[in-house]
Amino acid sequence: NAGVMQNPRHLVRRRGQEARLRCSPMKGHSHVYWYRQLPEEGLKFMVYLQKENIIDESGMPKERFSAEFPKEGPSILRIQQVVRGDSAAYFCASSRTGTGSPLHFGNGTRLTVT
Amino acid sequence: DQQVKQNSPSLSVQEGRISILNCDYTNSMFDYFLWYKKYPAEGPTFLISISSIKDKNEDGRFTVFLNKSAKHLSLHIVPSQPGDSAVYFCAASLGWISNFGNEKLTFGTGTRLTIIP
Repeated sequence: NAGVMQNPRHLVRRRGQEARLRCSPMKGHSHVYWYRQLPEEGLKFMVYLQKENIIDESGMPKERFSAEFPKEGPSILRIQQVVRGDSAAYFCASSRTGTGSPLHFGNGTRLTVT
Repeated sequence: DQQVKQNSPSLSVQEGRISILNCDYTNSMFDYFLWYKKYPAEGPTFLISISSIKDKNEDGRFTVFLNKSAKHLSLHIVPSQPGDSAVYFCAASLGWISNFGNEKLTFGTGTRLTIIP
């Protein structure tokens, strides 16, 4: 997991608050993927971004969730007005353009909504 | 709709023996298959992959077999070691070339492997 940095590792929010999760991809990687893992389940794809562009958001809930990957700085996954069902581990992965190499994952952010 | 299935939630194997983890998929368009290993409180770590043009890929103690007609793949670990105890995820993608550079993965629900010393 070396190289893909996610923070914070743990995040506790009360219902109705906002959660911001950050991901810095591996050096030289310009593609970022976000995944969510609910308890006892596999990882579910949420969104795929390149710098300043959302390429595929087919796995994102339609409301309250948004993602960005600005020209400078980390990718941000934002969850507004969190609910208990948002409690999960959120993983970020990165890849380099056009290599077909496996995705490299960070250690995740565990979000707990109380 | 679970397109990638791992029907065994857990598996226990004696140290030194062979561990066989299985995975089935339903989408015949999947072109590239991977196995990831995950320890608690860490992210998935890539283990081994196979493209649909092959039926076997080997890397040290790890071998992945692909049976396209049956839409089935398996991971063999031999000999199994205590450090192999982890959750193993099977994943599939449409292939980054045919999917315009989109390498998104569809994951199974995982198999928890326990190696008994």
